[in-house]
Amino acid sequence: GESVGLHLPTLSVQEGDNSIINCAYSNSASDYFIWYKQESGKGPQFIIDIRSNMDKRQGQRVTVLLNKTVKHLSLQIAATQPGDSAVYFCAENITGNQFYFGTGTSLTVIP
Amino acid sequence: DTEVTQTPKHLVMGMTNKKSLKCEQHMGHRAMYWYKQKAKKPPELMFVYSYEKLSINESVPSRFSPECPNSSLLNLHLHALQPEDSALYLCASSQEIGRGANVLTFGAGSRLTVL
Repeated sequence: GESVGLHLPTLSVQEGDNSIINCAYSNSASDYFIWYKQESGKGPQFIIDIRSNMDKRQGQRVTVLLNKTVKHLSLQIAATQPGDSAVYFCAENITGNQFYFGTGTSLTVIP
Repeated sequence: DTEVTQTPKHLVMGMTNKKSLKCEQHMGHRAMYWYKQKAKKPPELMFVYSYEKLSINESVPSRFSPECPNSSLLNLHLHALQPEDSALYLCASSQEIGRGANVLTFGAGSRLTVL
């Protein structure tokens, strides 16, 4: 599959600050994207998704932005908490059942 | 039940052994997946089953053999593995609604060490 890269492999933020995690994708045919959170020793956990007919989608404390022009995806976490410390992956849906994951960003929240 | 259960959690095997990884879900999902994840790397797609039929094989070596006995179960049979096959093997499932709606639900993974 085609690569889905992330701009920053690691990110450290102070507790209470907002976090922004970025993702670049290369397949212009991809029309569905998911952000996953993976804590140590666990499988990836769904955070939020977005379809290509949307530019923005909000969840509880999280917002995903999609810029199809530059093939860029971002995850914003508001008021970051220690429990948010994990590796975050974006996943790109190439076909109905083909999801490819980006490199991942390790988020560390400093109390 | 909103879980994907994988067994065993840990497996150590020699290069001549034959072992299997098992995955089970009771969410009524009709698509099931195997991913391989090396340390500090993203999950890599291996196989996809849709309605119990193999629909995607990402050019995985034949020493990995998937099996889907029924819509709730997915196995990965391992034979003559190499040390570089040591990794976390993740199972996932999803509904088969169609493109743009198949959210993957992952299990906790089986950590495999090949000696």
